[in-house]
This record gives sequence, C-alpha cells and structure tokens, in this order.
Amino acid sequence: AQKVTQAQTEISVVEKEDVTLDCVYETRDTTYYLFWYKQPPSGELVFLIRRNSFDEQNEISGRYSWNFQKSTSSFNFTITASQVVDSAVYFCALSDLGNTGGFKTIFGAGTRLFVKA
Amino acid sequence: EPEVTQTPSHQVTQMGQEVILRCVPISNHLYFYWYRQILGQKVEFLVSFYNNEISEKSEIFDDQFSVERPDGSNFTLKIRSTKLEDSAMYFCASRTSGVQETQYFGPGTRLLVL
Repeated sequence: AQKVTQAQTEISVVEKEDVTLDCVYETRDTTYYLFWYKQPPSGELVFLIRRNSFDEQNEISGRYSWNFQKSTSSFNFTITASQVVDSAVYFCALSDLGNTGGFKTIFGAGTRLFVKA
Repeated sequence: EPEVTQTPSHQVTQMGQEVILRCVPISNHLYFYWYRQILGQKVEFLVSFYNNEISEKSEIFDDQFSVERPDGSNFTLKIRSTKLEDSAMYFCASRTSGVQETQYFGPGTRLLVL
C-alpha cells in the first residue's frame, strides 16, 4: 500500500532561517514519482517539483532544494533563507502504478510553515 | 501554458441538494481525477477516469458520487444528495497517458453545504 508521512505538523521559523520539511514514503512499486506542492491560503495546489524513482540526484531551484534518498525512503525539502511569502502548507505526494495503472496521487498530511518577519 | 480549469470556484448549497462540479482538463490529456480536501486536512483521492470509465475509486467515492465526461472536453463530478460532511475543496486533475507524466491540478472548487 502507498503511504506518505509528513511527521511535522507545523514549523515556525524566523525570516532568513533555513528550514527542512521531512517526507517519508512507502510503496511496493519500483517505478514511482514523488512530488512537493505548496498550498497558499488561497487554496490552490502549486506544483514545486517531481522526481522519479530512478533519479536520485538532488535538485536545487533557487532557494529550494530537495534531497531524495531511496535507502531511507525519504524526499526532504529545504528552503534556504526563508521569507514570509514561503508561509503556506506544503504537501509531499507519491504517485505509483498501483493496482490499476492509474497513477493516482497519495498526499501526506502536510506541514504548515510559518515564517515570521 | 495549458491549464486545468474548474467551475465554479465557490459553491454554497443546502443539504440534500445535488451539485455538479465542472472541470475542463488539458486538451490532450487522457486520465482524469477528482480529489477532495476537507478544511485543514490532507488532499484525498476520490476517483480516476480513463477511456470513458472509472479506473479506480476510493472508499469515499460511494453511490452518492458519480463522474462523467459528457462532451469530450468537460469532466464533471456529481454529488447526488449533499451532506454537511461533503463540504470541502474539490480538485480536478488530468494527465497524458505516459507513465512519466505529471498530473496537473485545477484551482479547485470550494463547496460549502449548509
């Protein structure tokens, strides 16, 4: 069965601090995709990144970086020099073949990040 | 850039009424999805739809729910007799057929059942 665990319910930091959001996943499939989404107060899901299971290279995009480790089934997300605009709920998600090949997406419970000025 | 659109953005309805939530997926996409997010909770899978039929559905997707692709462009979610607990944000998503492809999410419809 697929599962995504985000153990941190809420994190509060002061602007310019670095912050890491943890994500641990479970899947039986060898082919799967991992995602991070940002959900601002307006409610939409903003796509941040997708990694496939065959690519363990870490990725950096501006102040954002992602650390994918298959050995620990983790896909952690770090924001460097956080800003107030980073305040949002962040969801880690997993998509795999499942039973029907439909590649539905399973979301973690989300981590609410507060960045204080 | 093509995007998934959803209408209405907000809907208020009375308990027991039927509602239809509409989605226009990206035009060359073949797989379609509905997800639900109750306020303050995680996003939950409801149903996936491919080749004009449901390919998978969750336990949440009971007989009160149905989906349809009536005209080749719209993808609808119908809730037959709404309950208070159906109040949530509903997201539509679509993707192409390739297994390497990402699902694209719409902006959501916020449904409030009174």
